Amino acid sequence: GQQLNQSPQSMFIQEGEDVSMNCTSSSIFNTWLWYKQDPGEGPVLLIALYKAGELTSNGRLTAQFGITRKDSFLNISASIPSDVGIYFCAGQLGGYGKLTFGQGTILTVHP
Amino acid sequence: DAGVIQSPRHEVTEMGQEVTLRCKPISGHNSLFWYRQTMMRGLELLIYFNNNVPIDDSGMPEDRFSAKMPNASFSTLKIQPSEPRDSAVYFCASSFSSIFNEQFFGPGTRLTVL
Repeated sequence: GQQLNQSPQSMFIQEGEDVSMNCTSSSIFNTWLWYKQDPGEGPVLLIALYKAGELTSNGRLTAQFGITRKDSFLNISASIPSDVGIYFCAGQLGGYGKLTFGQGTILTVHP
Repeated sequence: DAGVIQSPRHEVTEMGQEVTLRCKPISGHNSLFWYRQTMMRGLELLIYFNNNVPIDDSGMPEDRFSAKMPNASFSTLKIQPSEPRDSAVYFCASSFSSIFNEQFFGPGTRLTVL
């Protein structure tokens, strides 16, 4: 079945630094999504990507849908303490297909 | 607008007991998903409904798990009998069918089976 490899597994950074994380897949996806999960809460959708090559921003967050349709990355610029949490990528093959989630990247931001 | 509502937020029960988790999707959404999250396996899709009809239940671990969606605004996930290995956080999510990909998650139910 489809598998997503998300890296890095964890990151420890200083406030103000930029962050980059990515997901790669063994097969193609038609949609890539990035979610953030805070402790004790459900994942919250950050960015949705629907087209190969698409680059989309949401505030300090930027995500891209890889040209091969097998990868995606998420960048966070000028990190702040509230960026702490677990970031998940998710891919979907068809319009009515399941979402396949990556293992998550745990982000810690030191003030 | 209210998001996805789940109850209870926490449930502690003893092995062998029946557990029922409840979900109210976002009004107007007609796709509903049940997920389970554990440290070992991450986020796993258990079952999803479209227009109240179960479309794919291949993620339901075993016959002890069942899910229903009697109407557009309510769904239940039942475990009977519960086992310690069922301990996890269970999430409900919903989406518009036409924007199927953008799923909105509830706060989750943390289930502990002793």
